[in-house]
Amino acid sequence: GAVVSQHPSRVICKSGTSVKIECRSLDFQATTMFWYRQFPKQSLMLMATSNEGSKATYEQGVEKDKFLINHASLTLSTLTVTSAHPEDSSFYICSARAGARADTQYFGPGTRLTVL
Amino acid sequence: GDSVTQMEGPVTLSEEAFLTINCTYTATGYPSLFWYVQYPGEGLQLLLKATKADDKGSNKGFEATYRKETTSFHLEKGSVQVSDSAVYFCALNADDKIIFGKGTRLHILP
Repeated sequence: GAVVSQHPSRVICKSGTSVKIECRSLDFQATTMFWYRQFPKQSLMLMATSNEGSKATYEQGVEKDKFLINHASLTLSTLTVTSAHPEDSSFYICSARAGARADTQYFGPGTRLTVL
Repeated sequence: GDSVTQMEGPVTLSEEAFLTINCTYTATGYPSLFWYVQYPGEGLQLLLKATKADDKGSNKGFEATYRKETTSFHLEKGSVQVSDSAVYFCALNADDKIIFGKGTRLHILP
């Protein structure tokens, strides 16, 4: 099946610094990628939808200036957590859609962010 | 808004036991329903899906039937294996976005 990678898998940073997380579709082109956040024992919360070559669409309550998303190519989307704080510590998961249907989304393994 | 509720885990079973993980949903329209599975260290994978009432999705011995009258999509397997140990997410498609339940962790003991 289609493969989506994320890098890094784990990152620890100091409060106030910025962290970039990469999401790549390895064997297909993805015009749309999604970024999710998962809290312990909680469901995946959609943060934003990223379309190649255009601005991301953020869900209500997600600060677009804090979570910068760039989808510059059909195989790469990046999420930058700016001026990170301990409350940003979480598990971030991306997915890439290979077609027009929702069930053609393929998920990355996730990135564990810890902000000290 | 649309939502998914699934039974809390962890669920621990012995190998070859019968599995049921309950899932109910709330939706204004007629969404497609999904079960995703996340094996340790891997990303979510689509396990099965159903797109309309009374449809049955099946894969790898797992089954789930779209029940509109009870707004449910329970996951079942007749005989689980140790390799089925994972986290299972029930989900629905709303406005072209996927809404997930909280996930149920399944442990299968040999």
